[in-house]
Amino acid sequence: GQQVMQIPQYQHVQEGEDFTTYCNSSTTLSNIQWYKQRPGGHPVFLIQLVKSGEVKKQKRLTFQFGEAKKNSSLHITATQTTDVGTYFCAGLTSGTYKYIFGTGTRLKVLA
Amino acid sequence: GAVVSQHPSRVICKSGTSVKIECRSLDFQATTMFWYRQFPKQSLMLMATSNEGSKATYEQGVEKDKFLINHASLTLSTLTVTSAHPEDSSFYICSARIAGGYEQYFGPGTRLTVT
Repeated sequence: GQQVMQIPQYQHVQEGEDFTTYCNSSTTLSNIQWYKQRPGGHPVFLIQLVKSGEVKKQKRLTFQFGEAKKNSSLHITATQTTDVGTYFCAGLTSGTYKYIFGTGTRLKVLA
Repeated sequence: GAVVSQHPSRVICKSGTSVKIECRSLDFQATTMFWYRQFPKQSLMLMATSNEGSKATYEQGVEKDKFLINHASLTLSTLTVTSAHPEDSSFYICSARIAGGYEQYFGPGTRLTVT
């Protein structure tokens, strides 16, 4: 079945350093979403990417959808302690109605 | 806006009993709700998709007779774990999608512990 993998699984960074998580799907996606889950909390929607090669920015966060629509990345510039949490991508395959969540990347920011 | 609630937030039950978890969209109508299960430090695994007024669609490997889903209205979906076993202990999260929308709004989750 469809698999969505994320790397790295864990990342510890010093506050102020940059962070990137990569999302790779075994199948071509219609679109991809990104969520953030704080420790003890529930996932919160961040963004959706639809077009091949699309790049979107939200303040210090930059999201990219690969040309082949099988991979995506989330880059955080100058991390802050508030960025702590697990970041999940979720991919939607053409012809389906459900999103498959990636394995997640847990980010820890050291002050 | 777009708030989803779940009740209860935590429940402890004895093996063999049944537990009902409610998922409500508080300020919007959700034609589709999703039920996920999340093990500690792991990803969300989709269990089933429920559409208002119709039978839920279960993912492969999820027992529909064990995890009963009812989507009785546009603002309420329920998940009943029947004859619970310790291995059913997990974090259950629902999400709701507005008709025509693409974002999923997640509830706060329910921590189920079966003793």
